[in-house]
Amino acid sequence: SQQGEEDPQALSIQEGENATMNCSYKTSINNLQWYRQNSGRGLVHLILIRSNEREKHSGRLRVTLDTSKKSSSLLITASRAADTASYFCATDFAGGTSYGKLTFGQGTILTVHP
Amino acid sequence: DGGITQSPKYLFRKEGQNVTLSCEQNLNHDAMYWYRQDPGQGLRLIYYSQIVNDFQKGDIAEGYSVSREKKESFPLTVTSAQKNPTAFYLCASSRLGQPQHFGDGTRLSIL
Repeated sequence: SQQGEEDPQALSIQEGENATMNCSYKTSINNLQWYRQNSGRGLVHLILIRSNEREKHSGRLRVTLDTSKKSSSLLITASRAADTASYFCATDFAGGTSYGKLTFGQGTILTVHP
Repeated sequence: DGGITQSPKYLFRKEGQNVTLSCEQNLNHDAMYWYRQDPGQGLRLIYYSQIVNDFQKGDIAEGYSVSREKKESFPLTVTSAQKNPTAFYLCASSRLGQPQHFGDGTRLSIL
């Protein structure tokens, strides 16, 4: 399967702490994206990092990409209770005619305690 | 406001019945996608369409059908051939190669 794998499956932290989630994948990619899902809702795009980029920031989010290890990490700094959600990585695999088609990981459930 | 709308929010299917889930977008996106999400799992791609009147099977297309007659609309039919249809169904749209925008999903259950 080309599906990415994420770890940890679940993460529980206190407000103010940092949260780090990891994603690994198996084949070459055009880009890797991170999404957030609140319970019972659709996914919301957080950040996209292209295969030629190594690090990207957006507010309290920091994403790194290591194409040699086929892995990415999402860091949320100074977490808040409102950050409680599931977080998914998704990869846009290079090659073929399915440009833009994403393959999602299983997700990390983040719980931030007030 | 621009966005993507899925309806209904909840849907119940009887044995042997086909049901259709609606997905409409006003974002002028060329590409649209249907995903299935089971409890505690990631998303699995059912069908996708990159242009009107064309669509491709995803990873789990068996028991499902779609049409793309208009750019704004991409309905999904869950047929009676889908023996385990209970799941959360998510529709998304995007410009090609750009991040996807998601609707709020339809939860399908069996009566």
